[in-house]
Amino acid sequence: EVVLTQSPGTLSLSPGERATLSCRASQSVSSSHLAWYQQKPGQAPRLLIYGASTRATGIPDKFNGSGSGTDFTLTISRLEPEDFAVYYCQHYDGSPLTFGGGTKVEIK
Amino acid sequence: QVQLQESAPGLVKPSETLSLTCTVSGVSVTSYYWNWIRQAPGKGLEWIGYVFHSGHTKYNPSLQSRVSTSVDTSKNQFSLKLSSVTAADTAVYYCARWGADSVSAFDIWGQGTMVTVSS
Repeated sequence: EVVLTQSPGTLSLSPGERATLSCRASQSVSSSHLAWYQQKPGQAPRLLIYGASTRATGIPDKFNGSGSGTDFTLTISRLEPEDFAVYYCQHYDGSPLTFGGGTKVEIK
Repeated sequence: QVQLQESAPGLVKPSETLSLTCTVSGVSVTSYYWNWIRQAPGKGLEWIGYVFHSGHTKYNPSLQSRVSTSVDTSKNQFSLKLSSVTAADTAVYYCARWGADSVSAFDIWGQGTMVTVSS
């Protein structure tokens, strides 16, 4: 089983700042199967990035995914009020499908 | 557009079986892999498993002995059964679609339904 470790647990930033979220896999994984989601309180997660770097339909270009092997990054270039949420990475290469523990991006 | 809607059982007694249905609209349930994911209060996401209309399934090994899923093509629905539930199964349960082709991710989610296990 691939364990995904997200850091930091909480990121305190101000609107307009850049957010850098990390997702580290316990073993090298295919970037084709690495995704990122955003979840706001009381809502279902929303797909942001798949294939490590491809934005999902309707996702603005302020969200960027990168990485390969064991280290993946989600960058939000300029935080807007609606971006403050919890972000999860996820990987699937057979079984079982796993999620990271999440990074909460909160307003400083 | 494609929408998913979970049924809402709400409260389930310990040791009983949790049953949920996800109604799919906007696309046939005979396409795609259909998944269940849950989130305990204040916790992260846990994948439960998937089902394909052919009957092919795959489950999280941590839940495999208690989980079953199925597809009802006549109603365009898929279902989850989780047996012998305990308080640890209290969570919001989501149904979600696994994307096609290169979209190796959950691209469509239901709104989620809260299930509480309590006597």
